[in-house]
Amino acid sequence: ELKVEQNPLFLSMQEGKNYTIYCNYSTTSDRLYWYRQDPGKSLESLFVLLSNGAVKQEGRLMASLDTKARLSTLHITAAVHDLSATYFCADETSGSRLTFGEGTQLTVNP
Amino acid sequence: DGGITQSPKYLFRKEGQNVTLSCEQNLNHDAMYWYRQDPGQGLRLIYYSQIVNDFQKGDIAEGYSVSREKKESFPLTVTSAQKNPTAFYLCASSMLQEGHGYTFGSGTRLTVV
Repeated sequence: ELKVEQNPLFLSMQEGKNYTIYCNYSTTSDRLYWYRQDPGKSLESLFVLLSNGAVKQEGRLMASLDTKARLSTLHITAAVHDLSATYFCADETSGSRLTFGEGTQLTVNP
Repeated sequence: DGGITQSPKYLFRKEGQNVTLSCEQNLNHDAMYWYRQDPGQGLRLIYYSQIVNDFQKGDIAEGYSVSREKKESFPLTVTSAQKNPTAFYLCASSMLQEGHGYTFGSGTRLTVV
């Protein structure tokens, strides 16, 4: 069974702090995607990671991929309130289908 | 601008009624997908299609039907057999080449009244 597991599922953090969201996946495709969803809105693409050791950064968010461990991380640096959202990782199977994790609901408190 | 359009944004269904959610894309993507999202939950795949006139069931297809008569369009019908249809429905499209991910529509919020 294809599985993508995120943890934590809920994360409440203070502004200015750092934290990491973890995404473990079970397939061998080694292509991993991160999406952001604001409440009541659709999903927005954040990062596309296509090879072992890939690292992408956008503002206070940095995503990385370790294909040997089948692990991707989303690191948040000096969190701000605007980062409050739900973050999904997704693993790509054959034929370009994505399997999504359950999502991590992030709340950044002042 | 290329994109994927879902309509309506909000939809209300009476008990026993069928309703159809529209999804149109002008990205020339081959594959299209329908997901259901319940409050505070992740995405569950309803149906997907990789080619015109062909589609496959996802994890929760019961009570739903789809068609793919045109590459650009992938409408979803929520039938009366779906007993708990209140949810947020997301349509997505993708190229069949790996490494591109999905583009999502803005979603339709369906409520049973």
